[in-house]
Amino acid sequence: KAGVTQTPRYLIKTRGQQVTLSCSPISGHRSVSWYQQTPGQGLQFLFEYFSETQRNKGNFPGRFSGRQFSNSRSEMNVSTLELGDSALYLCASSLVQITGELFFGEGSRLTVL
Amino acid sequence: QKEVEQNSGPLSVPEGAIASLNCTYSDRGSQSFFWYRQYSGKSPELIMFIYSNGDKEDGRFTAQLNKASQYVSLLIRDSQPSDSATYLCAGDNNAGNMLTFGGGTRLMVKP
Repeated sequence: KAGVTQTPRYLIKTRGQQVTLSCSPISGHRSVSWYQQTPGQGLQFLFEYFSETQRNKGNFPGRFSGRQFSNSRSEMNVSTLELGDSALYLCASSLVQITGELFFGEGSRLTVL
Repeated sequence: QKEVEQNSGPLSVPEGAIASLNCTYSDRGSQSFFWYRQYSGKSPELIMFIYSNGDKEDGRFTAQLNKASQYVSLLIRDSQPSDSATYLCAGDNNAGNMLTFGGGTRLMVKP
């Protein structure tokens, strides 16, 4: 069974640009969550999607957005990039909405110059 | 601000010893708690969850929860060098998969 797939794995952007990250969950998983991981702040929740609906949103500015498609694949977008957005962005999928049993992808490492 | 606190470590234990990892949380509304293990350069993986007061055992791992003291712990018996990793404690927010993670404790098991 294939795991959670995230693309791209690495990317470099400059301030002011925007970026789109993609996540394909484990087959059959309908919940997709996004987390940001930095050395200073650790793992922080961004948002969760279930059946194409955003169910929860973390304490991040509106520059961070996401969506989920009918096949459960998800994308997140960060606009007007800032240096502080440099981080590892982790996508996690879950079989059902309320479990906390998250299966993480390998992440997309974003560097903002 | 809902917080989960962990000692960052490193916690160093000899091979074969018991490693004790601790975590405190501030949100009394949290119902379930999770321990994730993250190897360097890898993504987190779930090793245990607990939602009832008391102990829960799974192989060499035992999770303990004390809701009155807002305290969660993970014991690793017969620690192996392969257990060397960062252990992340997380609490739910009674809202789906929106977990609040602690900063993690780095465990080093020395042969």
